[in-house]
Amino acid sequence: AQRVTQPEKLLSVFKGAPVELKCNYSYSGSPELFWYVQYSRQRLQLLLRHISRESIKGFTADLNKGETSFHLKKPFAQEEDSAMYYCALSRQGAQKLVFGQGTRLTINP
Amino acid sequence: DTGVSQNPRHKITKRGQNVTFRCDPISEHNRLYWYRQTLGQGPEFLTYFQNEAQLEKSRLLSDRFSAERPKGSFSTLEIQRTEQGDSAMYLCASSEDSGRAHGELFFGEGSRLTVL
Repeated sequence: AQRVTQPEKLLSVFKGAPVELKCNYSYSGSPELFWYVQYSRQRLQLLLRHISRESIKGFTADLNKGETSFHLKKPFAQEEDSAMYYCALSRQGAQKLVFGQGTRLTINP
Repeated sequence: DTGVSQNPRHKITKRGQNVTFRCDPISEHNRLYWYRQTLGQGPEFLTYFQNEAQLEKSRLLSDRFSAERPKGSFSTLEIQRTEQGDSAMYLCASSEDSGRAHGELFFGEGSRLTVL
């Protein structure tokens, strides 16, 4: 069975500091990995996906198959990054997404 | 199009009653999903439709739960004989058909169920 672990429920950093939200997964095949974000009073929305290999709002995430990780990083945090972040995984060809518990990121001024 | 629409937004019911939630997806999306989210947890997959066909269903979905998408447009999720453990946020999402890849999910605002 697939599993996604986000070890930090809460993460607080100062504006301008680097941010790293951790995500580890367990799945023996080739996964599709995603980060979803929920800003205050907004809907859950896609932030980025590993197959796109793009940077969104300054965030990047690299799939490390050896460490089974997909950590989300941003070099300089901004106050508007404060939100709930969820890492999610799907098996190739499957439509079920398995979400982690989420990390609440707070950026302090 | 205002995105995925869900109603009611809030439902309070007594244990043993039946409840039904409705989801209207983005019009051109033929994939529709239901997830459940409890406090402090991430969304949990319940079921998935491609057009009107229900193609995946979680073991979380007991026989008290049923979902339909009769004409491949809107969907309903019914919970019969509700229990207090059913209290949760029920999220609907839709996506375009992206072949074998998992498409970007567009979520609704959710329907919050409280079972007394």
